[in-house]
Amino acid sequence: EVHLLESGGGLGQPGGSLRLSCVVSGVTFSTYAMTWVRQAPGQGLEWVSSISRSGACTYYADSVKGRFTISRDNSKNTVYLQMNSLRAEDTAIYYCGKAWYNGSRDECFATSDYWGQGTVVTVSS
Amino acid sequence: EIVLTQSPATLCLSPGERATLSCRASETVNSMYLSWYQHKPGQPPRLLMYRASTRAAGVPARFSGGGSGTDFTLTISSLQPEDSAVYYCQQDYKLTLWRFGQGTRVDIK
Repeated sequence: EVHLLESGGGLGQPGGSLRLSCVVSGVTFSTYAMTWVRQAPGQGLEWVSSISRSGACTYYADSVKGRFTISRDNSKNTVYLQMNSLRAEDTAIYYCGKAWYNGSRDECFATSDYWGQGTVVTVSS
Repeated sequence: EIVLTQSPATLCLSPGERATLSCRASETVNSMYLSWYQHKPGQPPRLLMYRASTRAAGVPARFSGGGSGTDFTLTISSLQPEDSAVYYCQQDYKLTLWRFGQGTRVDIK
């Protein structure tokens, strides 16, 4: 059974940093691209970032580009989201997702067929 | 930048009725990169359709997707009470800004 578990959320200070982690089990992690999306209070879903299976491709929404960094450690079955220069508008539930695609292309994909339950990030002083 | 516009914003229907949700792109999207999600409060998103018309694992047959170019559709053939949710389309076509549409809320009377 595929399972994704996010952690690392909590209260962050404006201008501060948080690091989210997502551990994946039940699949060969290194063969899948991974994605982070978020949902701010009362808002719809927002794609945040994706990373290819090797990490060679990373891609970001404009709203987080230059502040957030996605990375992965295939030996630990874990994808990370380093969040720096936090803003109030980063307050959201953050979900990690596993790409549905497991072919030979080492590219970024956002479409995800399994998701974690989410971790809550609140940015406030 | 490809913008996805979903309509209607809200759909209120009775159990057993047919629901048709629209997702219109501001420019052509390869249907291989168009997907649909269902999202319920307090839960993670659930992938319903990918490649515009391929049902994800475990998705009931009452859900179907179609379309091409700039116009895509998600159809729920016979609404069930558990289908009450917000539905989003998403594109990850080309290295443009990847977005979700703004969502269509489906309420079951």
